Amino acid sequence: AQTVTQSQPEMSVQEAETVTLSCTYDTSESNYYLFWYKQPPSRQMILVIRQEAYKQQNATENRFSVNFQKAAKSFSLKISDSQLGDTAMYFCAFMSLYGQNFVFGPGTRLSVLP
Amino acid sequence: NAGVTQTPKFQVLKTGQSMTLQCAQDMNHNSMYWYRQDPGMGLRLIYYSASEGTTDKGEVPNGYNVSRLNKREFSLRLESAAPSQTSVYFCASSADPWGTGNQPQHFGDGTRLSIL
Repeated sequence: AQTVTQSQPEMSVQEAETVTLSCTYDTSESNYYLFWYKQPPSRQMILVIRQEAYKQQNATENRFSVNFQKAAKSFSLKISDSQLGDTAMYFCAFMSLYGQNFVFGPGTRLSVLP
Repeated sequence: NAGVTQTPKFQVLKTGQSMTLQCAQDMNHNSMYWYRQDPGMGLRLIYYSASEGTTDKGEVPNGYNVSRLNKREFSLRLESAAPSQTSVYFCASSADPWGTGNQPQHFGDGTRLSIL
């Protein structure tokens, strides 16, 4: 069974600084999807970024980028120029290519400090 | 843009009571999902409906039932609530099963359920 691990329960960063959230996963599949979701205090789950495992190029979305290391089964999220609105829980998630498995990690609570 | 709407937002139940959580989406999505989120465990899938008229068990279905009433609505029922079901429940939808391709899952705001 697939598992997703986020080893940092809590992190903090100063406003305008850069922070990296870690995620590792375990799977025997060769093609799959990886996601980072953001959950602010309002509890709404928001998709931040998505990566297809068959693509070597790391995904980027504005201030958010990932470092996808397929061989190491690592999928970290880098947030540049952190903003107060980035304060939230961040969940890493794995999904099988055809959706038969969809697993979330336990989350990392990120606090952006003024 | 309503997206995925869940009701109620908060609910307190006594052990043994029943209740139904409602979820509706206005994006004409085919697939809908119910998750529960517990501290330190991330989201776990309870049930899903890949398309109208079908429902399947997820990772933690025990104690729950679902109904895909129509394409828009997917309800989650607790027949006899237990304290272990205290959690935050999220409904999600996607255009195709599991949000593959360019259509990811869209989540509702969640329902905080406490069972005493």
